[in-house]
Amino acid sequence: EDKVVQSPLSLVVHEGDTVTLNCSYEVTNFRSLLWYKQEKKAPTFLFMLTSSGIEKKSGRLSSILDKKELFSILNITATQTGDSAIYLCAVENTGNQFYFGTGTSLTVIP
Amino acid sequence: DTEVTQTPKHLVMGMTNKKSLKCEQHMGHRAMYWYKQKAKKPPELMFVYSYEKLSINESVPSRFSPECPNSSLLNLHLHALQPEDSALYLCASSQALGTTKPNEQFFGPGTRLTVL
Repeated sequence: EDKVVQSPLSLVVHEGDTVTLNCSYEVTNFRSLLWYKQEKKAPTFLFMLTSSGIEKKSGRLSSILDKKELFSILNITATQTGDSAIYLCAVENTGNQFYFGTGTSLTVIP
Repeated sequence: DTEVTQTPKHLVMGMTNKKSLKCEQHMGHRAMYWYKQKAKKPPELMFVYSYEKLSINESVPSRFSPECPNSSLLNLHLHALQPEDSALYLCASSQALGTTKPNEQFFGPGTRLTVL
């Protein structure tokens, strides 16, 4: 059975801390792995990763994929209260189906 | 225009009502999706349309009836829903199914549905 597992389920940190969110997957015919940030409404796209070892970076956020070990990490440095959200990992297979993990709930305390 | 719009934003309906959720995108995407999301859970796929044809139906009860009138619009018709159907209903679109390229999904803001 295809599945995506995220850890930790929730995390509380102080502003300025660095956090690492994990996503492991077992999906047949992998095509891509996507990270989303979800606040009160729809998920907003952060990164799409298709190749191992190539870091994607956007401001204080970065992400990398390891296709051999079947996982990805999302790093957030110098966290701010606006980073508080649920971070979702999704994996797309070659049949264009998307499998979502349960998400990591991040709370950043001032 | 990289936006997926959904209406209404909120909907409260009784178990005997018939209502429809609407989704629209003008990005030229040919794959459109309906997801259901309960509180503190990830989105669950309900339906996928590819080139206006139903491609995937994840064993969704018949009280949910999708419709894709054209390549920009996706509807979800609701009839005789149950209180447990209360959730956030998300629409998404992507380039197309069957493409060899990775296929980013864009999500709409969702419709928060409450069934009384």
